[in-house]
Amino acid sequence: EAGVTQFPSHSVIEKGQTVTLRCDPISGHDNLYWYRRVMGKEIKFLLHFVKESKQDESGMPNNRFLAERTGGTYSTLKVQPAELEDSGVYFCASSHLIGGNEQFFGPGTRLTVL
Amino acid sequence: GNSVTQMEGPVTLSEEAFLTINCTYTATGYPSLFWYVQYPGEGLQLLLKATKADDKGSNKGFEATYRKETTSFHLEKGSVQVSDSAVYFCALRGTSYDKVIFGPGTSLSVIP
Repeated sequence: EAGVTQFPSHSVIEKGQTVTLRCDPISGHDNLYWYRRVMGKEIKFLLHFVKESKQDESGMPNNRFLAERTGGTYSTLKVQPAELEDSGVYFCASSHLIGGNEQFFGPGTRLTVL
Repeated sequence: GNSVTQMEGPVTLSEEAFLTINCTYTATGYPSLFWYVQYPGEGLQLLLKATKADDKGSNKGFEATYRKETTSFHLEKGSVQVSDSAVYFCALRGTSYDKVIFGPGTSLSVIP
């Protein structure tokens, strides 16, 4: 079975621009999570979808970040406008809704804001 | 709230040396505990896990035991290899569907 995929693998943008990150979870996984690691610090939770609904978005840093999961399949995370402190690696993870014990992580998107 | 603390490194070891990466946690209830690994250029992979007290997780020669009395989950390997060079993250999760809470990560370099 294919794993969690993320696109792009690396994005370099200038401050003030917009970037959209995409995550395709493992097929059949209703839980989808976004995390990020900023400045080499710990990986922090951003939000959690169950199907197309936001279950927990307590980790979203501010209203410049918008996550969507239309149709309950892939998800996008848009940063608009990007700031320097948004640079880091953004990870996506997915798990089964029933007995969803293990979260499977994608390779991450490295975002660099200049 | 829940949190994870681990030695931050970087840690540099010679091949075949013994590895210990300390991890302690703060949590209410009975969380599940994990070690994740990120090899250079790759994504996060689950290395091992333990879901209840005194459980020992093991994989690829690595081991960690869930110690509730000391709230610890130290990672150990008896003989490291160059291929073990990576960043190791200790983590916990409160419930099956809860977010994962990570420690800061420990960078390990193994030299021949």
